[in-house]
Amino acid sequence: QKEVEQDPGPLSVPEGAIVSLNCTYSNSAFQYFMWYRQYSRKGPELLMYTYSSGNKEDGRFTAQVDKSSKYISLFIRDSQPSDSATYLCAMRGATTNDYKLSFGAGTTVTVRA
Amino acid sequence: GAVVSQHPSRVICKSGTSVKIECRSLDFQATTMFWYRQFPKKSLMLMATSNEGSKATYEQGVEKDKFLINHASLTLSTLTVTSAHPEDSSFYICSASRQGDRDTQYFGPGTRLTVL
Repeated sequence: QKEVEQDPGPLSVPEGAIVSLNCTYSNSAFQYFMWYRQYSRKGPELLMYTYSSGNKEDGRFTAQVDKSSKYISLFIRDSQPSDSATYLCAMRGATTNDYKLSFGAGTTVTVRA
Repeated sequence: GAVVSQHPSRVICKSGTSVKIECRSLDFQATTMFWYRQFPKKSLMLMATSNEGSKATYEQGVEKDKFLINHASLTLSTLTVTSAHPEDSSFYICSASRQGDRDTQYFGPGTRLTVL
């Protein structure tokens, strides 16, 4: 079993729709949770960064963490064609030496104009 | 701030040659740099972690003699793929953490290596 599971999609939505992405994980030691956006043939770009459980909102993006279910989500409201990319979840533990990230496989999203 | 560059962005080489990829933090000092490999439609696989001035720490299954990593300064790390073979063809991405903040990794744009 992979440490982080993420449905690779692809996911296609019309412009203006809400995009819902999620990851599940097995390691209960994970405390920091991140979402990255990666455009084709580019490096990942950090979108959201959350610690422990709860919600975090930044503009059109909302990240949710449910540690009891080992489940994290990213919602993109009012999606735009420019949101078309691969979205990767990543997570790590909380100790000083737990700086290595564990990534999901990434979900490819296409927003149709 | 927090810009990371990689050079070259794309390289094609013949089997048996060595290829060097540079990773630079342009506007911050990076105590730690990470090297990843990414296959099509697959997640990033951490290859090694390098700290400035010390030897890199390689992940299990990654050949140290095959993938040479040097982190000579706080703004530069290099990955050299020695005696490259077609199976080494991949997308190599580096990331860097600011000095004093290893929580956040800033990624470079990646290098596409094709070995013929």
